[in-house]
Amino acid sequence: DQQVKQNSPSLSVQEGRISILNCDYTNSMFDYFLWYKKYPAEGPTFLISISSIKDKNEDGRFTVFLNKSAKHLSLHIVPSQPGDSAVYFCAASHSNYQLIWGAGTKLIIKP
Amino acid sequence: DSGVTQTPKHLITATGQRVTLRCSPRSGDLSVYWYQQSLDQGLQFLIQYYNGEERAKGNILERFSAQQFPDLHSELNLSSLELGDSALYFCASSVDGALGTDTQYFGPGTRLTVL
Repeated sequence: DQQVKQNSPSLSVQEGRISILNCDYTNSMFDYFLWYKKYPAEGPTFLISISSIKDKNEDGRFTVFLNKSAKHLSLHIVPSQPGDSAVYFCAASHSNYQLIWGAGTKLIIKP
Repeated sequence: DSGVTQTPKHLITATGQRVTLRCSPRSGDLSVYWYQQSLDQGLQFLIQYYNGEERAKGNILERFSAQQFPDLHSELNLSSLELGDSALYFCASSVDGALGTDTQYFGPGTRLTVL
């Protein structure tokens, strides 16, 4: 039972454009969502998070949007840079319980 | 560099064998988490320790066990290994162990190959 789904295994975006990574979840009890970024041969690194009481959180070039009614969140990267090429994982938790992770989306930024 | 170290980086072993993976958390972090990532899958939470005590258990097989020592380093023991145990094993640490909201810092992982 995949509670957190990232349906796009990969995404290719032109440098300077907006990258939009999507994540869907099935458990309406989730109240905290995170995005992690992973480079090859490294562990994931925390990128940005959002609580279910908000619908948007912004940090520099990164913005996460949460649509609770649709059980959907997205990560926007503007403008996209070559260093953003990585695998992005969406994760969710409820009541401070363990994180449930999506399978990841590989983002490729084309020069 | 996250400050979390994992050894070894790579491990190749045979079915039926037992291995130990080691993790040293960031300085000051009390909580250690273990994750398994199989090919093209998300991270599966295995187990969490907080200051030497087991805090939470996820999808950890009975053949697997872990512990956290007084110096806060942790070991994950995998026994009676099967081909399906081949995966990347990540260790993460956080300051105080609130599972969902505490930022976790990941090590580079140990790639286990079971032949």
